[in-house]
Amino acid sequence: QSVLTQPPSASGAPGQTVTISCSGGTSNVGSNFVSWFQQFPGAAPKLIIYRNDQRPSGVLDRFSGSKSGTSASLAISGLQSGDEADYYCASLDDSLRGFVFGTGTRVSVL
Amino acid sequence: QVRLVQSGAEVKRPGSSMKVSCKAPGGIFKIYDLNWVRQAPGQGLEWLGGTIPLVSTTNYAQTFRGRITITTDESLASAYLQLSELTSADTAVYYCAAAAFDFWGQGTTIIVSS
Repeated sequence: QSVLTQPPSASGAPGQTVTISCSGGTSNVGSNFVSWFQQFPGAAPKLIIYRNDQRPSGVLDRFSGSKSGTSASLAISGLQSGDEADYYCASLDDSLRGFVFGTGTRVSVL
Repeated sequence: QVRLVQSGAEVKRPGSSMKVSCKAPGGIFKIYDLNWVRQAPGQGLEWLGGTIPLVSTTNYAQTFRGRITITTDESLASAYLQLSELTSADTAVYYCAAAAFDFWGQGTTIIVSS
């Protein structure tokens, strides 16, 4: 059972910016770093944002992350058809003493 | 990039146990944390547990405590996930992930069925 809440879906036209929210609490997002993952059907997740707003080497700067209080966001700018995938946030939870994932958001390009 | 290679798919009987392996370049499990994540069909990601070698700590998600064991064997450059008392709810793709989820295995499909 996920403790981080994301919208089930998000969409935008090519070239637009899509923003996905990740809502948590004081024991997770509010006090720990947030990571974001991109997952295509049948493939393993891929880390695209770590430590709230850092991009691993090779991840395009069209992907950006931010955090404020107990919520985090992932923005995908210059939306492309290749960005259609599921996106998950994750954070360490001090109360549960482990990691928690978001409910996931499916991004589609109109 | 670090490539993690997992063992193959299996079909297990209800009530039995599973053991999935995750092989990586030598020495990696001495340095990097190693986590296990699963994904049931059509569902989201679920963290099962993980180990932090530098502080010799292993943590498990409360949901699985009592029937999960995560181990590493440096001599074989491998990590293992064991889950017992399997039910149909454990049918999923199981992933290993290292270095704060920067490196992932290809996934292992476990089907629990009678």
